[in-house]
Amino acid sequence: DGGITQSPKYLFRKEGQNVTLSCEQNLNHDAMYWYRQDPGQGLRLIYYSQIVNDFQKGDIAEGYSVSREKKESFPLTVTSAQKNPTAFYLCASRNQGAGGELFFGEGSRLTVL
Amino acid sequence: DQQVKQNSPSLSVQEGRISILNCDYTNSMFDYFLWYKKYPAEGPTFLISISSIKDKNEDGRFTVFLNKSAKHLSLHIVPSQPGDSAVYFCAASGVGVLNSGYALNFGKGTSLLVTP
Repeated sequence: DGGITQSPKYLFRKEGQNVTLSCEQNLNHDAMYWYRQDPGQGLRLIYYSQIVNDFQKGDIAEGYSVSREKKESFPLTVTSAQKNPTAFYLCASRNQGAGGELFFGEGSRLTVL
Repeated sequence: DQQVKQNSPSLSVQEGRISILNCDYTNSMFDYFLWYKKYPAEGPTFLISISSIKDKNEDGRFTVFLNKSAKHLSLHIVPSQPGDSAVYFCAASGVGVLNSGYALNFGKGTSLLVTP
């Protein structure tokens, strides 16, 4: 089945450690996105990529990094510079062009101990 | 600043009645609006959308109304069912929104509880 796979589902990290969240899609979508959700908050955009080897900062990119070496993959690294990394992270994708919905993965819960 | 606002954090409705979820936006460049349904620890699932050239879109029990002059949209669920209990997010995007990659701007969500 086509879809977006995020892994791991749950992740624990010690302060000061970098961690990478995986996002893979087999929908042949050009654009991919990372969002963060905190309790009582909406989804906030971290990074997005509209094409391979290109990505742009979203509203809350500080302390995060991404890469887009393959169309199917858009991993997110939460670095030690991110001051409040405990959150629920969501990856999404869509076809290129205006309009249309985003398709979301199941999410990854990161907890910093 | 929040460009998409859902001012009601929660809503409780009896089964069979109508649920009305509201959403306001501030960016006049938004031209596409969506509603997503979300359960805890899961990704949002798309529910219904509307383009700014329309003022109503209907899909089964779900209808979205758009009032561009008021920068307001609403989602109506009729009749409401217990399985509709979830958090509903309003989202918006626009061709003219610069440096956005057509990313969606989300509200904070409204938690709907449908009681039997």
